[in-house]
Amino acid sequence: AQSVSQHNHHVILSEAASLELGCNYSYGGTVNLFWYVQYPGQHLQLLLKYFSGDPLVKGIKGFEAEFIKSKFSFNLRKPSVQWSDTAEYFCAVNAPGGSYIPTFGRGTSLIVHP
Amino acid sequence: ETGVTQSPTHLIKTRGQQVTLRCSSQSGHNTVSWYQQALGQGPQFIFQYYREEENGRGNFPPRFSGLQFPNYSSELNVNALELDDSALYLCASSLGGGARSGANVLTFGAGSRLTVL
Repeated sequence: AQSVSQHNHHVILSEAASLELGCNYSYGGTVNLFWYVQYPGQHLQLLLKYFSGDPLVKGIKGFEAEFIKSKFSFNLRKPSVQWSDTAEYFCAVNAPGGSYIPTFGRGTSLIVHP
Repeated sequence: ETGVTQSPTHLIKTRGQQVTLRCSSQSGHNTVSWYQQALGQGPQFIFQYYREEENGRGNFPPRFSGLQFPNYSSELNVNALELDDSALYLCASSLGGGARSGANVLTFGAGSRLTVL
């Protein structure tokens, strides 16, 4: 079964700082990878996804993530964060071995100070 | 398009009681997944329903059960409630029951927060 590790549980940044949130998964085969975000008071929503092709994927609001197969990683990045990026970020992975059911990481709480 | 709606939003139960949570999937979606999210944790997969059949189950005991109806809405039932069942229960809908492209991009509801005393 696949598992997902998010190493940073709490991140505090100032506006305009660069962001990188780590995500590692354990599964040896083909995977689909996701980042979901939950803004305060809102539902979990998809930020970006990787199924195949270019390992650098771009999502909403200037976020991007890079799939590095050799490192089993799918780190989330943003060059310059804004106060409105304050949210909980979840990495998720699913694999064709089961029913493509996403397994989520524990989440990273990001606070951006204005 | 309508999103995923869940009811009730909050409820309080006592140990040993039973609870039913409801979910209406997003228009056009035929698959419903249920997740349990404890405080400070990520969502943990409970089970998924596709075409009214259970299509995968996580590491939850049989007292967690579910249903999917012909209109793709779903229920989560939990019997013999325990204190550790206190959590946010999330419903997510998606299109497709296993196909690679597009499937299991989840659309989440706001959740039902269950407190067991």
